[in-house]
Amino acid sequence: NAGVTQTPKFQVLKTGQSMTLQCAQDMNHEYMSWYRQDPGMGLRLIHYSVGAGITDQGEVPNGYNVSRSTTEDFPLRLLSAAPSQTSVYFCASTDAYEQYFGPGTRLTVT
Amino acid sequence: AQSVTQPDIHITVSEGASLELRCNYSYGATPYLFWYVQSPGQGLQLLLKYFSGDTLVQGIKGFEAEFKRSQSSFNLRKPSVHWSDAAEYFCAVGARNYYGNKLVFGAGTILRVKS
Repeated sequence: NAGVTQTPKFQVLKTGQSMTLQCAQDMNHEYMSWYRQDPGMGLRLIHYSVGAGITDQGEVPNGYNVSRSTTEDFPLRLLSAAPSQTSVYFCASTDAYEQYFGPGTRLTVT
Repeated sequence: AQSVTQPDIHITVSEGASLELRCNYSYGATPYLFWYVQSPGQGLQLLLKYFSGDTLVQGIKGFEAEFKRSQSSFNLRKPSVHWSDAAEYFCAVGARNYYGNKLVFGAGTILRVKS
């Protein structure tokens, strides 16, 4: 049981490039979420999902896209990276009201 | 919409001293409240959670928190701090709707422990 896994751990992008952050969970949870963490701001919700085919925006969705085709996977796509998207990204999977976080992806956009 | 305020950005305590980290929330219904800890460069670890029932909640590593509805607070306490407790602490309030389950986090409190 791996829990929540995220790849890659680190990534450097140039402005304007696109990429996908991967997130997978093996706990058969319906609910999954993406957060970004910036110094002094805590974690902020980007997008979340209750199951395959159902997603919704969180607090800071601009510049990000998600889809949920399977229960296990919830990828986050950066459409055209900007320096403001430099952050640490956490994926979470939820069992009722407790969230299990992945180890994070540290993204730098130059 | 829900929100969480952690009034203290930094707190420094001596090893062995008691600790209280403050958390105030805004939420229209019965809140689901959490405390997480994060060591530098690491992910988040759940310390404790409150869903309902007893307002004094025990967590891991000797931490406890008390839910006070009248004060909209969920303060984290530890009677004797250890150097290994130095980390950043986040309070969060949970909400659930048809589309999913989401947390709103406070900005965090950085705990420094001096010997």
